[in-house]
Amino acid sequence: GAGVSQTPSNKVTEKGKYVELRCDPISGHTALYWYRQSLGQGPEFLIYFQGTGAADDSGLPNDRFFAVRPEGSVSTLKIQRTERGDSAVYLCASSRDTNTGELFFGEGSRLTVL
Amino acid sequence: GQNIDQPTEMTATEGAIVQINCTYQTSGFNGLFWYQQHAGEAPTFLSYNVLDGLEEKGRFSSFLSRSKGYSYLLLKELQMKDSASYLCAVRSSYNTDKLIFGTGTRLQVFP
Repeated sequence: GAGVSQTPSNKVTEKGKYVELRCDPISGHTALYWYRQSLGQGPEFLIYFQGTGAADDSGLPNDRFFAVRPEGSVSTLKIQRTERGDSAVYLCASSRDTNTGELFFGEGSRLTVL
Repeated sequence: GQNIDQPTEMTATEGAIVQINCTYQTSGFNGLFWYQQHAGEAPTFLSYNVLDGLEEKGRFSSFLSRSKGYSYLLLKELQMKDSASYLCAVRSSYNTDKLIFGTGTRLQVFP
């Protein structure tokens, strides 16, 4: 596609449930990033991939969060036993030229945990 | 540790010039970035500085002083559509490509 695509755009779930958020990056972009953003805050880094491997997962808050990118393209962010504090917009971005740091962001998946 | 500071909110008048400052403290440095984010939308890339000095791109310019841990984004000839949040981000070292973002500066442009 022309841009980074994220699904679902909105997800409402109950505390304790499992959630998957999907990101389809721009074709040919080898780097893929996950951030989350709360209202009035900047994006908070979670994890980034170079190809299929997680190059840096230091931002994942705890072991309830996991992300995969098995074929080096689409990525899935998985959140187990969701908590109300997980409510945020989850942003995915991809990049081709890591020298300039230009990330192309998707519109985000808004997660609400009731 | 890493710390990025920018003002929370600023206001300006259409046609004016505004400067948004950003200071950072990181364990290493490999580039500073500015992104624009309109309410409810995704951030979009504005500029990248890795060497000291001013980078100009149309109505927007970005300045970097590595010794001072300081950058600013200068917006000239403000337009109403420039009302948005402006995010300062730092790439902190050479072995990771992650960007660490500040909390953003919400700019409101009034007629």
